[in-house]
Amino acid sequence: AQTVTQSQPEMSVQEAETVTLSCTYDTSESDYYLFWYKQPPSRQMILVIRQEAYKQQNATENRFSVNFQKAAKSFSLKISDSQLGDAAMYFCAYRTEIKAAGNKLTFGGGTRVLVKP
Amino acid sequence: GAGVSQSPSNKVTEKGKDVELRCDPISGHTALYWYRQSLGQGLEFLIYFQGNSAPDKSGLPSDRFSAERTGGSVSTLTIQRTQQEDSAVYLCASSSSHASPLHFGNGTRLTVT
Repeated sequence: AQTVTQSQPEMSVQEAETVTLSCTYDTSESDYYLFWYKQPPSRQMILVIRQEAYKQQNATENRFSVNFQKAAKSFSLKISDSQLGDAAMYFCAYRTEIKAAGNKLTFGGGTRVLVKP
Repeated sequence: GAGVSQSPSNKVTEKGKDVELRCDPISGHTALYWYRQSLGQGLEFLIYFQGNSAPDKSGLPSDRFSAERTGGSVSTLTIQRTQQEDSAVYLCASSSSHASPLHFGNGTRLTVT
């Protein structure tokens, strides 16, 4: 079974600066997907960024980018130019490529991001 | 609808009572998922419906938990004889296919007293 570990319970960043959230995972599969989700106080999970394991190029979405190290099974998220609206819980998640498993995700325990004005 | 809708938003129940949580997915989404988020924890998969296929119930923690999806749309998660450890946020998500991104609802916060 796959596991996802987020070792930082909480991270604090000054507005306009950069913060990096770490995520490691364990799998024996070679094809899979990795995700970062944001959960604000509204509780709704919002997809931030997605990475396919077969792609070497790191995914980027505006101020959000990842550092995907497949051999090390590491998937960190960098938030650049942090904004007050970035304050939330961030979850790293893994999904197998096996079609029958659908969109079953394995989540890490989360990292709370605090943004200081 | 515009998004995944869950009701109620909050539910307080007494230990031993049964509860039903409802999820209305995005129209046309064939896949529907239930997850549970205990306080301060990540999400835990419970059950997955895909079209007319038999649901994947591999994440249900005990036989007190069950779910159904009527007409390929609305889903109800039922917890019988609730226990205090059932207290959590129950999140529903849907997607248009197995490979498409998940769209989550705002969840139901269940408190068992």
